[in-house]
Amino acid sequence: GNSVTQMEGPVTLSEEAFLTINCTYTATGYPSLFWYVQYPGEGLQLLLKATKADDKGSNKGFEATYRKETTSFHLEKGSVQVSDSAVYFCALSDLDNNDMRFGAGTRLTVKP
Amino acid sequence: KAGVTQTPRYLIKTRGQQVTLSCSPISGHRSVSWYQQTPGQGLQFLFEYFSETQRNKGNFPGRFSGRQFSNSRSEMNVSTLELGDSALYLCASSVGTGTSQETQYFGPGTRLLVL
Repeated sequence: GNSVTQMEGPVTLSEEAFLTINCTYTATGYPSLFWYVQYPGEGLQLLLKATKADDKGSNKGFEATYRKETTSFHLEKGSVQVSDSAVYFCALSDLDNNDMRFGAGTRLTVKP
Repeated sequence: KAGVTQTPRYLIKTRGQQVTLSCSPISGHRSVSWYQQTPGQGLQFLFEYFSETQRNKGNFPGRFSGRQFSNSRSEMNVSTLELGDSALYLCASSVGTGTSQETQYFGPGTRLLVL
């Protein structure tokens, strides 16, 4: 079956540091991949997505590239801010097989 | 455009009771999905409704059920509540093409505490 594995947190960085949150997946079909962010007390917000191999999703300085050869979709940002502190979820959508999976979430804390 | 709204935001129930949660999708969205979020199990897919019909279903017992109305609003019901049902229940809406590329838009959630 399908699954998503993302690096365990928590991750603590200083402001302006480089961020990488690893995400790998297993899928039987041709899924789309997403990164969602959850701020305290709120629901999930879409951060970026990629719908096919080699696609790069980007938003608000965050980027992730859909790598079929390594089955990965790592999230990166060159310079994090305190306001980026949140929980980040990697997700896979494979509706051809009626499946939507989320990773366990990675809590990021950015200190000034 | 107004976002996804969920009511109530917080709920306290006791074991054995039942509960109904409500979700209003973004205007024009015809698909509504429900998720359970717990610290131990993370985010788990419950079910998806489209055009008043359940289109997809996760791996939850029959105590968890839902329905969708003609205006796309959805309700989720949990009967015979157990302590383990304490969780944040998230609703997400999407246009409803049924394709993997579709983006879901999440509501703020209903936090249910079962005592």
